[in-house]
Amino acid sequence: DSGVTQTPKHLITATGQRVTLRCSPRSGDLSVYWYQQSLDQGLQFLIQYYNGEERAKGNILERFSAQQFPDLHSELNLSSLELGDSALYFCASSVAPGGNNEQFFGPGTRLTVL
Amino acid sequence: GIQVEQSPPDLILQEGANSTLRCNFSDSVNNLQWFHQNPWGQLINLFYIPSGTKQNGRLSATTVATERYSLLYISSSQTTDSGVYFCAVHSSGTYKYIFGTGTRLKVLA
Repeated sequence: DSGVTQTPKHLITATGQRVTLRCSPRSGDLSVYWYQQSLDQGLQFLIQYYNGEERAKGNILERFSAQQFPDLHSELNLSSLELGDSALYFCASSVAPGGNNEQFFGPGTRLTVL
Repeated sequence: GIQVEQSPPDLILQEGANSTLRCNFSDSVNNLQWFHQNPWGQLINLFYIPSGTKQNGRLSATTVATERYSLLYISSSQTTDSGVYFCAVHSSGTYKYIFGTGTRLKVLA
């Protein structure tokens, strides 16, 4: 158990809908990262937050947004869902935002868009 | 952007065999991690190894940052080692993390 928690574990929804994925980092970690794992794109970095502020952006679609709250938990919002958004979404956390910090991953949320 | 390539893409071993997985990256990095994704999808940290050599039980890893590669050694493999092994790098000068395409390992009893 990495100490990173994600809810829900599974989510099934329809095209056009909006969902929210939640992540709580390990105790003491200030930085949160979101990743998407799909069959055709592999594991892709989406976005990083540090202490409530956006730190880096990867391949995140405009239909997706995220935020980190004062208690350091983070939410990833996915809207106008398409079939291709079906994937495993991971959250990771680290102590600090810099690249020289070990990341620890949560168990993931499996999203299925029908 | 930085490219991360892993080899081999697939590997089948008999229980007890040894193996070496390779991760090549195209630019300088300030972080490299190895992960094991088990058949249930969990990503498990194996090594945080931007340079040098580390060992943990039957697993060890070496990163030669100046030559832009890292190796993961698995000795006396067990069926529970099955899954996908990923390396991930953080490119120097950016805040983006790049995962390799992975090596899918199957260990047969």
